[in-house]
Amino acid sequence: EDQVTQSPEALRLQEGESSSLNCSYTVSGLRGLFWYRQDPGKGPEFLFTLYSAGEEKEKERLKATLTKKESFLHITAPKPEDSATYLCAVQAPQGGKLIFGQGTELSVKP
Amino acid sequence: DTGVSQDPRHKITKRGQNVTFRCDPISEHNRLYWYRQTLGQGPEFLTYFQNEAQLEKSRLLSDRFSAERPKGSFSTLEIQRTEQGDSAMYLCASSTRLGGAETQYFGPGTRLLVL
Repeated sequence: EDQVTQSPEALRLQEGESSSLNCSYTVSGLRGLFWYRQDPGKGPEFLFTLYSAGEEKEKERLKATLTKKESFLHITAPKPEDSATYLCAVQAPQGGKLIFGQGTELSVKP
Repeated sequence: DTGVSQDPRHKITKRGQNVTFRCDPISEHNRLYWYRQTLGQGPEFLTYFQNEAQLEKSRLLSDRFSAERPKGSFSTLEIQRTEQGDSAMYLCASSTRLGGAETQYFGPGTRLLVL
């Protein structure tokens, strides 16, 4: 069965303290791995899509990487406005639905 | 702004009542998805449409849930005889396939509370 597991469940950082979020997945073939940001009470906001092992993408302080078993979201010198829940999802080869992890709740204190 | 829109944003209802939610996708997107999200969890797939055809429904979707996309544009999700366990955020997303790539863009969600 296709499955996504994110760790840690919650992460508290000081402003400027870099760290990484992990997303482990099992899927019978991968069409794409997606990272979203979700603020409280809002819908998920698209960040990145990764398609193959070794691929990397960057946006401001965020960098996403992908291996055959997991993806990392690296946050460099975070700011309080980076506080949110970060969701990872996979899409199977036939396309269609996304399978989400439970998310990592990130809190960045000034 | 031409993003995904959902209506209403909030709904409070009594157990046993029927509710209907609407989703308007990004105009050129032919795929439309419904997900449900409870507190502390990631979104969970319910069903999706390609144009007006409903292509997949989750095994978790009970007979009380029905979705339509009659003209391949907006979609409605109806829950009949609501139960307290239906309380959740209902999210809509839309996408279009360009080659192998398909990115789903989400709306703001409809938060349902069943009393």
